[in-house]
Amino acid sequence: DAKTTQPPSMDCAEGRAANLPCNHSTISGNEYVYWYRQIHSQGPQYIIHGLKNNETNEMASLIITEDRKSSTLILPHATLRDTAVYYCIVSPSGTYKYIFGTGTRLKVLA
Amino acid sequence: ETGVTQSPTHLIKTRGQQVTLRCSSQSGHNTVSWYQQALGQGPQFIFQYYREEENGRGNFPPRFSGLQFPNYSSELNVNALELDDSALYLCASRLQGDTEAFFGQGTRLTVV
Repeated sequence: DAKTTQPPSMDCAEGRAANLPCNHSTISGNEYVYWYRQIHSQGPQYIIHGLKNNETNEMASLIITEDRKSSTLILPHATLRDTAVYYCIVSPSGTYKYIFGTGTRLKVLA
Repeated sequence: ETGVTQSPTHLIKTRGQQVTLRCSSQSGHNTVSWYQQALGQGPQFIFQYYREEENGRGNFPPRFSGLQFPNYSSELNVNALELDDSALYLCASRLQGDTEAFFGQGTRLTVV
């Protein structure tokens, strides 16, 4: 079973920040938080990952709470092309498998 | 573009037949994983190969098998196809020791 809980769906207005929450209350000390997204039947696209510090790259920011039991993926200026299913995964570094849940279906509205 | 390519993109097979799906990993990536994604579900881990050896397997029967070649390309073979094997099959490659994996675009298999 997936170790993460995400809302099944969210809407966001184009140009606004999209904040996608993820609960991972049973996360272990050596487990990273990964975010991927999947745009309609394409392969999942890597977005960002982190261990305990907040992370930012050209696509998004990842905010991890101090107790590491939850995190938020932030897309700072959502566009229509960000409409996708977003998956939050926790997994040890270098592990051989990801356990996907059902993700959050984000719809960006014009 | 992730540099991970899969072929074919679409495939239709008859129940009971055998199928081989192919994956070319991103340059330098020595680890490949395969996933099955049924419609409306998240991907499910099938198995992983590292340096031509299987080093992890999910809850899939033995009729799902694989190979990894010296150039790190790989195959997924499924024997005795069942209707429930209809799915998007994804491969993902990484460099052993790195954290993130990169996925190909998948092969859509339909079993009729």
